[in-house]
Amino acid sequence: AQRVTQPEKLLSVFKGAPVELKCNYSYSGSPELFWYVQYSRQRLQLLLRHISRESIKGFTADLNKGETSFHLKKPFAQEEDSAMYYCALAGFGNEKLTFGTGTRLTIIP
Amino acid sequence: DAEITQSPRHKITETGRQVTLACHQTWNHNNMFWYRQDLGHGLRLIHYSYGVHDTNKGEVSDGYSVSRSNTEDLPLTLESAASSQTSVYFCASSETGAEQYFGPGTRLTVT
Repeated sequence: AQRVTQPEKLLSVFKGAPVELKCNYSYSGSPELFWYVQYSRQRLQLLLRHISRESIKGFTADLNKGETSFHLKKPFAQEEDSAMYYCALAGFGNEKLTFGTGTRLTIIP
Repeated sequence: DAEITQSPRHKITETGRQVTLACHQTWNHNNMFWYRQDLGHGLRLIHYSYGVHDTNKGEVSDGYSVSRSNTEDLPLTLESAASSQTSVYFCASSETGAEQYFGPGTRLTVT
């Protein structure tokens, strides 16, 4: 069975400080990992996926297969980063996603 | 512009009633999904479809059903609403191997 764990329900960070949202997963094969974000009063949207290796809005995430982690990082937090963040996993060749429980990030001005 | 819509956006119903939530996408995506979002549980998959006349059960499918008669729509039916089904429901669609696009959500309250 596949599982995604986000250990922090709430995270508060000062503006300008580094941000790290943790995500660990459990999957026996080769997973595809995603971060989705939900800003206040907006719909859920893809932030980034590990296969694209892009940096979106200053965020990056590296898949660490040894530690089964896909932590989301940003060197300098901005107020507009306040949102709900979900880590998600898709099994190889599978279209459906398994989501973590989410982390609500609040940036303190 | 292509989009994915859900209706109604808010619904209050009574225990035992049948409720149908609509999901409509204009991207011509083959894959469609229904999730529920609950505090402490994140998003959990209810049902999904990979094409017309294809439906599959997700993690929390008990008490829910879907049908896919065309590419654009995947309505979600609660056969006999229960208070445990009070939640926010999200529909999503995707093309094979691509990101999922989410609807705005439907907030359902069962009294």
